[in-house]
Amino acid sequence: QKEVEQNSGPLSVPEGAIASLNCTYSDRGSQSFFWYRQYSGKSPELIMFIYSNGDKEDGRFTAQLNKASQYVSLLIRDSQPSDSATYLCASPTYSGGGADGLTFGKGTHLIIQP
Amino acid sequence: DTAVSQTPKYLVTQMGNDKSIKCEQNLGHDTMYWYKQDSKKFLKIMFSYNNKELIINETVPNRFSPKSPDKAHLNLHINSLELGDSAVYFCASSQDASSDTQYFGPGTRLTVL
Repeated sequence: QKEVEQNSGPLSVPEGAIASLNCTYSDRGSQSFFWYRQYSGKSPELIMFIYSNGDKEDGRFTAQLNKASQYVSLLIRDSQPSDSATYLCASPTYSGGGADGLTFGKGTHLIIQP
Repeated sequence: DTAVSQTPKYLVTQMGNDKSIKCEQNLGHDTMYWYKQDSKKFLKIMFSYNNKELIINETVPNRFSPKSPDKAHLNLHINSLELGDSAVYFCASSQDASSDTQYFGPGTRLTVL
């Protein structure tokens, strides 16, 4: 059974600082990872995806993947109060015909303090 | 324009009833999904549907059945509702079965009394 683990938090970060969100996974064969942001009462919204080892940057967001350590992270630079949300780490689960769906972690609740 | 839409947004019903949640996507995607998010906010895949092939998460009771009248729709039917079915149900879609990027609908909050 594939598992994706996250610290549920809450993680409290002062405005303007770097928020670091972490995720570990059990399936060494996992190839791709997604970070979704979910505001309270809303649906998950895709922030970033990463397939290759190393860093991937998009604006204030950087995703980091280390397949040897089975670890993926999301860094948010210059944190804003609007970044306060739950961040979900996910990885696809595949059957023979393609993706079965995403296996999600339980999410990390991030609070940016003004 | 809404990419993935669901109706209703809220659904309150009694135990034992049968209900349906509708999902439509206008993205031209080939694969659609249903997820359940419980009270602890844990999001779990229930079904994926692509080209008439249904893949079911083994933990989903057979009271739940997805129906796809066409490629743009995947409706969720639930029979004999139980208290534990109370949750938010999200529909999602992706370009095809091999595409990992999924887009989520707004969710349907189901409350079983």
